[in-house]
Amino acid sequence: NAGVTQTPKFQVLKTGQSMTLQCAQDMNHEYMSWYRQDPGMGLRLIHYSVGAGITDQGEVPNGYNVSRSTTEDFPLRLLSAAPSQTSVYFCASRGQGPNTEAFFGQGTRLTVV
Amino acid sequence: AQKVTQAQTEISVVEKEDVTLDCVYETRDTTYYLFWYKQPPSGELVFLIRRNSFDEQNEISGRYSWNFQKSTSSFNFTITASQVVDSAVYFCALSDGEYGNKLVFGAGTILRVKS
Repeated sequence: NAGVTQTPKFQVLKTGQSMTLQCAQDMNHEYMSWYRQDPGMGLRLIHYSVGAGITDQGEVPNGYNVSRSTTEDFPLRLLSAAPSQTSVYFCASRGQGPNTEAFFGQGTRLTVV
Repeated sequence: AQKVTQAQTEISVVEKEDVTLDCVYETRDTTYYLFWYKQPPSGELVFLIRRNSFDEQNEISGRYSWNFQKSTSSFNFTITASQVVDSAVYFCALSDGEYGNKLVFGAGTILRVKS
C-alpha cells in the first residue's frame, strides 16, 4: 500500500521557470491538499480539493495552480518560480469528514535560485 | 476562523526529563477535532493522535499523554521520561465541522532531547 506518493523529492529551479509537483494517492480519499513548510511558520495550506473536479484556495495560493481530474492525482503547478517559493512542499490526503487524519507524502524540497 | 498557536518555538531537555508541549486553539464551531503530528529529522509527518471536542478524557499511550481542556482551549502533549528518539518537530492541528476540509496547523515546536 503506497499511500501518498510525491515526486520529485528535490528540485532546483531558476527564477521564472515553471514546474509541476506530482501527487498521487491510492486510498480512494476524497480530500487532497498541498501545504508548504517554512521555518517557524508550520504547514500552510496552498490549495485543496474535496473531490475530482473541485478545487479551492487555501491560505497562500498565489503563484500556484492545481487541478483534480481524477480522485487519485492532485498536481501542483508553479507558474513562474520565485525565490519566495523556496520551501518544502507536502501533499496530503484525507478521507471524508473533519475527523479523519491526513496522510502525507514524503515532501519535495524546492529551491528557487 | 480557525487558529492554532504553539507558543514554544523550541524546547531542549535532557534525556529522562518529562516535557510538555503546549497547544492552544481557536474555533467558532462546537464540533471540532484536534490532532498531533510528529516530524522526525528524516522529514516525514507521522500522525500521533486525534481527539474530538466531545471527549475530554485524557489519553495515555506509553510515554505519551495528552491533556484536552475545552475550558482553556488547550490540547497539550506530554512526553514522560524523554528519549533522544523523541527529538523532532511536533505539530498540533485543528479541523472543524464548518471548515472540515481544511486541516490547520500550528507553527510547530522543535524538541531537542540531549543524552
